[in-house]
Amino acid sequence: KNEVEQSPQNLTAQEGEFITINCSYSVGISALHWLQQHPGGGIVSLFMLSSGKKKHGRLIATINIQEKHSSLHITASHPRDSAVYICAASPNTGNQFYFGTGTSLTVIP
Amino acid sequence: NAGVMQNPRHLVRRRGQEARLRCSPMKGHSHVYWYRQLPEEGLKFMVYLQKENIIDESGMPKERFSAEFPKEGPSILRIQQVVRGDSAAYFCASSRDQGYGYTFGSGTRLTVV
Repeated sequence: KNEVEQSPQNLTAQEGEFITINCSYSVGISALHWLQQHPGGGIVSLFMLSSGKKKHGRLIATINIQEKHSSLHITASHPRDSAVYICAASPNTGNQFYFGTGTSLTVIP
Repeated sequence: NAGVMQNPRHLVRRRGQEARLRCSPMKGHSHVYWYRQLPEEGLKFMVYLQKENIIDESGMPKERFSAEFPKEGPSILRIQQVVRGDSAAYFCASSRDQGYGYTFGSGTRLTVV
């Protein structure tokens, strides 16, 4: 079983829709990261969370430490949001991230 | 993501050649991490280094792969005698402190022909 599980694996939305991507983790963490990867592109760090909620533009990330669950929300989605979104956990011990397998989002005009 | 510089962006090597991937961390960052993303798979940890020290190489293949982060200059991930299965995207991340404030590079896409 992976330490980090993401859902859905693939997601297609119409432009303007509200999108939610979920992440569950099984390890104790110091922080939870949401990353964005465009096709053939690099990785951009969107959020780092250790508690509560963060907002940046149309993106919102939340985390529930007790339930070991985080969500990434995109409001008023746009085709340029099409990318793979990756959840990554920094565990309390050890030196590595644990990555989810990613959610491939396609926003259709 | 100009903070962490990786080069080259694309690298083509024939089987049996050596591949050298470079990562210059963000200014002020002394922790470097290498990750590999195989086609159709997620990112996997390879190695964590601080200046002149390998801290954790538990994700590195036992043979042909090595990494260094010298006192001066970029971190280098070296793959000797490459095989087709080494074709992947290799990402570097850096941080100021362990486990906090990571920044990723744009990756090096290695293709072995």
